[in-house]
Amino acid sequence: DQQVKQNSPSLSVQEGRISILNCDYTNSMFDYFLWYKKYPAEGPTFLISISSIKDKNEDGRFTVFLNKSAKHLSLHIVPSQPGDSAVYFCAASDFGNEKLTFGTGTRLTIIP
Amino acid sequence: DVKVTQSSRYLVKRTGEKVFLECVQDMDHENMFWYRQDPGLGLRLIYFSYDVKMKEKGDIPEGYSVSREKKERFSLILESASTNQTSMYLCASKTGGEGDTEAFFGQGTRLTVV
Repeated sequence: DQQVKQNSPSLSVQEGRISILNCDYTNSMFDYFLWYKKYPAEGPTFLISISSIKDKNEDGRFTVFLNKSAKHLSLHIVPSQPGDSAVYFCAASDFGNEKLTFGTGTRLTIIP
Repeated sequence: DVKVTQSSRYLVKRTGEKVFLECVQDMDHENMFWYRQDPGLGLRLIYFSYDVKMKEKGDIPEGYSVSREKKERFSLILESASTNQTSMYLCASKTGGEGDTEAFFGQGTRLTVV
């Protein structure tokens, strides 16, 4: 039972344009959401997070949007840069539970 | 900066061998995790530990065990390695009891079982 889903395995975006990565979840108890970026042969690195009390969080070029009623979150990267090419994972946790549940990942390729 | 260090980047083991993957973190985090990453399946939780000598099964614990004798160290044990355990193994740590926080990952161990 996949509680966190990333339905697009891959995405290609022109350099300088906006990249939008999507994530859906099924567990209504999730209240904290994170995005991680992963390069090949390296561990994931934390990018940005959002609590369920907010619907938007920004950090530089990265913005995460949360739509609780739709159980959907998205990561926007503007402008996209070649170094953004990586696999992006969304993750979620619920209050009082320390473990993170991850999605299957989306491979983002930025075309120069 | 938080540092999570996994003992090996690459390992090749034979079927039936007992395999130890070691992970050390330097930030006094209460929680430590072992995930495996496989193409199309994302990161799946094998085991986690919320305190010394405490452990809980994750989503795919079969064929694995863990040990946490010291707060900074969390070991994953493959009792009898099989080819379907060929994967990228990722260790993570996270502080506990302070609300929502991120987990920090090690660099990963690419294990091949032949």
